[in-house]
Amino acid sequence: NAGVMQNPRHLVRRRGQEARLRCSPMKGHSHVYWYRQLPEEGLKFMVYLQKENIIDESGMPKERFSAEFPKEGPSILRIQQVVRGDSAAYFCASSRWGSLAKNIQYFGAGTRLSVL
Amino acid sequence: AQKITQTQPGMFVQEKEAVTLDCTYDTSDQSYGLFWYKQPSSGEMIFLIYQGSYDEQNATEGRYSLNFQKARKSANLVISASQLGDSAMYFCAMREGDTGNQFYFGTGTSLTVIP
Repeated sequence: NAGVMQNPRHLVRRRGQEARLRCSPMKGHSHVYWYRQLPEEGLKFMVYLQKENIIDESGMPKERFSAEFPKEGPSILRIQQVVRGDSAAYFCASSRWGSLAKNIQYFGAGTRLSVL
Repeated sequence: AQKITQTQPGMFVQEKEAVTLDCTYDTSDQSYGLFWYKQPSSGEMIFLIYQGSYDEQNATEGRYSLNFQKARKSANLVISASQLGDSAMYFCAMREGDTGNQFYFGTGTSLTVIP
């Protein structure tokens, strides 16, 4: 999984603040996925993006959450007006292709968000 | 219904022994992919092994092998010659179809290797 860079590794926010999580995919990868992991649970899909496009956001909460993957720069997962329930580990993954069942998603080290 | 089921919350294995981590899946697609990831205490997710639904042979990667039983919809991970560094959470995941976007993850199995 070397190469998918996420920052920050740890993020502390107070209720009502905004959280911005960044993800730079592996070199040569143009597909990015965001997942959320609650304590003692597996990862849950949130959103899938290609450069400048949101392809699938079926796992994103309808309010306060947004994601982008601009032409230049990292993908950003943005959480507005955070609440305690947003506390979780947020993982970004990237892949070389978007299709094919064999497509392997490589994960970053995650951002641990704590909301006080 | 759960897409991926891992029924072993925790497992223990003696160093140098083999261990099997169970995973069953649920899908009506003919084409799908099955993956195993390792999550050590440091938190990162490390890809271990992949099995395609059309692959006739079980996948192997070093000490990892996947016991794929399609009719039973199971994809168990076998770790041979366990090492202390294998102590971690292990997650089974599935991607459905040829164009599915998301991976479905199980709840994981915590493996502890005993010296």
